[in-house]
Amino acid sequence: DTGVSQNPRHKITKRGQNVTFRCDPISEHNRLYWYRQTLGQGPEFLTYFQNEAQLEKSRLLSDRFSAERPKGSFSTLEIQRTEQGDSAMYLCASSPRTSGALSYEQYFGPGTRLTVT
Amino acid sequence: AQSVAQPEDQVNVAEGNPLTVKCTYSVSGNPYLFWYVQYPNRGLQFLLKYITGDNLVKGSYGFEAEFNKSQTSFHLKKPSALVSDSALYFCAVRDTSNTGKLIFGQGTTLQVKP
Repeated sequence: DTGVSQNPRHKITKRGQNVTFRCDPISEHNRLYWYRQTLGQGPEFLTYFQNEAQLEKSRLLSDRFSAERPKGSFSTLEIQRTEQGDSAMYLCASSPRTSGALSYEQYFGPGTRLTVT
Repeated sequence: AQSVAQPEDQVNVAEGNPLTVKCTYSVSGNPYLFWYVQYPNRGLQFLLKYITGDNLVKGSYGFEAEFNKSQTSFHLKKPSALVSDSALYFCAVRDTSNTGKLIFGQGTTLQVKP
């Protein structure tokens, strides 16, 4: 296993279109996070899954955003009716189920850069 | 609410000199602190963490960080900088909720000049 993967790496779309991103976490990591990073800022939390259950959503996640993790493995993040303000890097991270300090570490994917024109 | 501050947008050092990238935090309870590095168009790479124990934490690529509870700081250090260390560095604190989400600072660009 080579780490967290995300597809696509880049997406250019026109305002109003829908887009979907995919994240494949490290095998057997039961925790999965989505973050958004805009230029010059640190990543901001969007949502969290433990196995297939979505346990927390940020206020940043408007009604146009939806995320799923249907079988507790890969996850998708969909943005409907994209707006220019959605342009950002979308990062996925996973964390192992083991107890102790190891479970606090998050492993990030390369991100999907979204540009809305 | 938990927060992280990185007071410097950019740090410039000469190759071979020691470097310090500053981070202060605000959290209720015991902090779990992290440093990540980001190269252009790449995701974040984990450098090191403080959970408990020794205040001086050693991590990847020769980096270390010093946890100072009284000053609520977690500064990143390296004794001798390399040009290849030039990147964007993020300090983060683990949220105290059960999700374990990370709260990041705004980042510090490290520029190491030959």
